[in-house]
Amino acid sequence: ETGVTQSPTHLIKTRGQQVTLRCSSQSGHNTVSWYQQALGQGPQFIFQYYREEENGRGNFPPRFSGLQFPNYSSELNVNALELDDSALYLCASSLLYRGTEAFFGQGTRLTVV
Amino acid sequence: DAKTTQPPSMDCAEGRAANLPCNHSTISGNEYVYWYRQIHSQGPQYIIHGLKNNETNEMASLIITEDRKSSTLILPHATLRDTAVYYCIVRGGDDMRFGAGTRLTVKP
Repeated sequence: ETGVTQSPTHLIKTRGQQVTLRCSSQSGHNTVSWYQQALGQGPQFIFQYYREEENGRGNFPPRFSGLQFPNYSSELNVNALELDDSALYLCASSLLYRGTEAFFGQGTRLTVV
Repeated sequence: DAKTTQPPSMDCAEGRAANLPCNHSTISGNEYVYWYRQIHSQGPQYIIHGLKNNETNEMASLIITEDRKSSTLILPHATLRDTAVYYCIVRGGDDMRFGAGTRLTVKP
């Protein structure tokens, strides 16, 4: 058990809709990163939040956006869903320091139909 | 893009040591080597990380070469439950860039 929880665990949405995924970080961690993992591939970095500000972003379009709250929990929002957005979405919490562990949640499986 | 190269798959006999190699020839001085594993599309599980010294914990050992251009993750006594995809990651900034990993299959 990592202490990182994600909700919901599974979700089915229709193309063009919007979705919000949630992540509660581990106690004591101030940084949350989000990843997208397509079937058969490694996780791809979407973005990271530190102290409620975006702290880095991967190669994802602006329709992928996020929030971090004062308690360090986070949301991932995806607008105008496309079929290719179907994936496992993972969040990881850590301290903002490259030499520390990052712990992942169990993920949200999003299916876009 | 991932900064590491790993073999796509490996087999290991149950009870034997599993040695998983990783090349990271472009690693810079302030970048750490991390290992995670993922079982059946669950969230990746942290295993171990290191900068330049060898590291050991209750799960595994990490051996980093002196020039830091490669490393090996050692599972000392592999069990069937160690069957998973193992990811070697070089972390310099605050994000982690995953490659395709090594699919380790532990066989009875």
